[in-house]
Amino acid sequence: GAGVSQSPSNKVTEKGKDVELRCDPISGHTALYWYRQRLGQGLEFLIYFQGNSAPDKSGLPSDRFSAERTGESVSTLTIQRTQQEDSAVYLCASSTNGPTGNEKLFFGSGTQLSVL
Amino acid sequence: DQQVKQNSPSLSVQEGRISILNCDYTNSMFDYFLWYKKYPAEGPTFLISISSIKDKNEDGRFTVFLNKSAKHLSLHIVPSQPGDSAVYFCAACWTGANNLFFGTGTRLTVIP
Repeated sequence: GAGVSQSPSNKVTEKGKDVELRCDPISGHTALYWYRQRLGQGLEFLIYFQGNSAPDKSGLPSDRFSAERTGESVSTLTIQRTQQEDSAVYLCASSTNGPTGNEKLFFGSGTQLSVL
Repeated sequence: DQQVKQNSPSLSVQEGRISILNCDYTNSMFDYFLWYKKYPAEGPTFLISISSIKDKNEDGRFTVFLNKSAKHLSLHIVPSQPGDSAVYFCAACWTGANNLFFGTGTRLTVIP
């Protein structure tokens, strides 16, 4: 596809369950980001992948959160033992390089996660 | 710690008039600023950006102004159109940063 694709678009889970969210970036984009947006809040940075470099995990809120990326393609964000405060829209974005200069982040439509 | 702030959660403007969306930041390291627009059920899309070496950047109906001394930027939309109704996010980063810092967004409603 032409854009960033995320699946599922909606996920309802019970507290304590694990969830896995998927992101397919734009082909050729070496940089991939995960953000989340809680209700009424701004976009909160979670993790950044750039090519084969070690990812920047500085935004992950706890060790229940992890993410992987295979080469320069698909990424998965995993949340273990979900809590109600994890409820948010999880957004994935990709870009040709980093976020500065004239680089633009292209966002997917997000996964709405609801933890009951 | 919110380094990028949008203090107006919402704004309503009559069609054809000017919309002014404001953004303040606290980190003096920021040297690149962007505006993103978000429609419901879609991801944010890039709108316009400005480097700290400039104080104005214009693209059609959209103009971004940067006041570094005040750590303030604004987005002007003129004339406003109903299709501009969306949530607008201000974002900032510095050269070499790994992420953008986003504000909480301003919901713009353009009334026909």
